[in-house]
Amino acid sequence: QQQVKQSPQSLIVQKGGISIINCAYENTAFDYFPWYQQFPGKGPALLIAIRPDVSEKKEGRFTISFNKSAKQFSLHIMDSQPGDSATYFCAASTGYNTDKLIFGTGTRLQVFP
Amino acid sequence: DTGVSQDPRHKITKRGQNVTFRCDPISEHNRLYWYRQTLGQGPEFLTYFQNEAQLEKSRLLSDRFSAERPKGSFSTLEIQRTEQGDSAMYLCASSLEVSYGYTFGSGTRLTVV
Repeated sequence: QQQVKQSPQSLIVQKGGISIINCAYENTAFDYFPWYQQFPGKGPALLIAIRPDVSEKKEGRFTISFNKSAKQFSLHIMDSQPGDSATYFCAASTGYNTDKLIFGTGTRLQVFP
Repeated sequence: DTGVSQDPRHKITKRGQNVTFRCDPISEHNRLYWYRQTLGQGPEFLTYFQNEAQLEKSRLLSDRFSAERPKGSFSTLEIQRTEQGDSAMYLCASSLEVSYGYTFGSGTRLTVV
C-alpha cells in the first residue's frame, strides 16, 4: 500500500515532442505528489508538485495532471528539449508528522534532436 | 549557503570496514533526511531528523547503521561492518518544517569491495 508505481521505465522522444510519465498509488492518505528530476551524478531536484485539491498544475513546460478517483498522476513535458534528458521520479507523501517521500522507480527520458 | 553539501562524494571500502558520511544541510532548514538509492531505483527513505531529534527510522536501517545530528546542524551516517549489499548512493536532503519541499545533496557513492 506504500508503493508508488511508475511507467514507463524508459522513454525516447524527439525534440519538440511531448513526454508523458505516469504514476499510480494505493495509499489514499497520500496528500503531496512531487516530481523530481535527476541528472547522472547528481541528487534529485524538485521539479513540480501537486496537492490532491487540484487536478492540474502547470509550471512552464511542465504540467502535472492528477486524477484522485483513479489514484493516478502524470507528468507532461511539452516541447521536450535535449536538456530535459534525465531520470524522472514521481513520489508521494502523507505529509502528516513527517514528509517522508515514497519514490517511484524512475523513468529515463532521452530527447533526441 | 549554496545548498546541501555531502562529503565524501565517493567512498570505496573493503567489506567489514566502517564508514562515515557527513551531510551539511541548508542552514535554516530544521529537517534533515537520509535516503539510499541503488542503481536503477528511486531513493528509499532511511531516517529523518527534526532539529537534533531522530524522529523516524526505516526498517532498512539495520543495527549496523547509525545516524546522528548533534546540535541540529550537520548530520553523520555511519555504517559498521560494511557488506557488499551496502553499495549504493547515500543521499541527504533538508527542508523547512512543513514546507513540503526537499533539497537534496549530490550524494555519497559507496562501493564495498
